[in-house]
Amino acid sequence: DAGITQSPRHKVTETGTPVTLRCHQTENHRYMYWYRQDPGHGLRLIHYSYGVKDTDKGEVSDGYSVSRSKTEDFLLTLESATSSQTSVYFCAISDRTNAYEQYFGPGTRLTVT
Amino acid sequence: GQSLEQPSEVTAVEGAIVQINCTYQTSGFYGLSWYQQHDGGAPTFLSYNGLDGLEETGRFSSFLSRSDSYGYLLLQELQMKDSASYFCAVRNSSASKIIFGSGTRLSIRP
Repeated sequence: DAGITQSPRHKVTETGTPVTLRCHQTENHRYMYWYRQDPGHGLRLIHYSYGVKDTDKGEVSDGYSVSRSKTEDFLLTLESATSSQTSVYFCAISDRTNAYEQYFGPGTRLTVT
Repeated sequence: GQSLEQPSEVTAVEGAIVQINCTYQTSGFYGLSWYQQHDGGAPTFLSYNGLDGLEETGRFSSFLSRSDSYGYLLLQELQMKDSASYFCAVRNSSASKIIFGSGTRLSIRP
């Protein structure tokens, strides 16, 4: 299995508070991704990174920001959490330019009350 | 834009064969991937088709027809452990990212 971890694994927070999720990899892969998964929607891309300090938006990026200051770490921040951001968040990594083979972390279950 | 369509649910019998279809519309196409996800778990990569035809990996095969914008995942000799959700995904033409379908939940009966 690819060395990819996420922290925290579970979090409950209140509406309006900032939240940061961390993804850490030990594979030295160039590409890193943040997805959210909600019933009926599959996996939707929030943001992704193609290198240190190089990031781009996905299909559901509003309300989220990311940072990648080191190859191994990719942070996802909810600036002011809302109930609609209650979801399971997955981080993924890939060493392939065409991104077709990605390895996923165990996920973070976030509940915004 | 782009979209992928796959059935939301499929039911099959243990030991049988099942096919999960995926049709797609994209502005550019580089290939079709398949992922498996068990309840409560993370998605895991199964297969990739960059060219037309069939790719076989053990009991699982994946097929692609670029002219028909269509692919499928074929699971043979079904086992109870194959009960999971299966996602197809296509690469966006402009960047190193892929877009996932909504997933097909496969239920297997004894």
